[in-house]
Amino acid sequence: GQSLEQPSEVTAVEGAIVQINCTYQTSGFYGLSWYQQHDGGAPTFLSYNALDGLEETGRFSSFLSRSDSYGYLLLQELQMKDSASYFCAVMNTGFQKLVFGTGTRLLVSP
Amino acid sequence: GAVVSQHPSRVICKSGTSVKIECRSLDFQATTMFWYRQFPKKSLMLMATSNEGSKATYEQGVEKDKFLINHASLTLSTLTVTSAHPEDSSFYICSARTGYNEQFFGPGTRLTVL
Repeated sequence: GQSLEQPSEVTAVEGAIVQINCTYQTSGFYGLSWYQQHDGGAPTFLSYNALDGLEETGRFSSFLSRSDSYGYLLLQELQMKDSASYFCAVMNTGFQKLVFGTGTRLLVSP
Repeated sequence: GAVVSQHPSRVICKSGTSVKIECRSLDFQATTMFWYRQFPKKSLMLMATSNEGSKATYEQGVEKDKFLINHASLTLSTLTVTSAHPEDSSFYICSARTGYNEQFFGPGTRLTVL
């Protein structure tokens, strides 16, 4: 089977840094992606890691350790608009499909 | 990024009726589209993979006779929820894959079955 576990909820204040973890067990693995979803909206792509290490995209960074089956999304200089749900997702081998994690609801307060 | 549309955005129907949801890739051709279902405050669950010109591949536990998928062209896939019941009420999201293996998501369709 496949499972991607995330904390259910994280809270932080504006300007802070927050890390959202993702541990996965999948039958195949090609890369780890992160998506943001506001309530009632579509998931939007944030970041992708195919190799171990840190990928930085503006205020967002993503890390992957394939040997630990673990990754995280780091959000810096938090803004109120960052309040949303964040999902990690695994692309399995052969690019067949994307499997989503349990999701983390981030609440940013003033 | 590429644009994917869904229609309708919201639909309310009576129990026992069928509902069709359209997913279109507007500015690219998508040989593969995916259909997801999402309950409130839950994750996206993949229902099926839709390939142009062939039968859809359904995930375990998804009834193919209940959720009919047609991918008749490189820009259009449809999901028909047949004989809908209140438990089918959910947020249905499609995505389309580009030739570069990126996936772009549609805005979703909220189905409410009374």
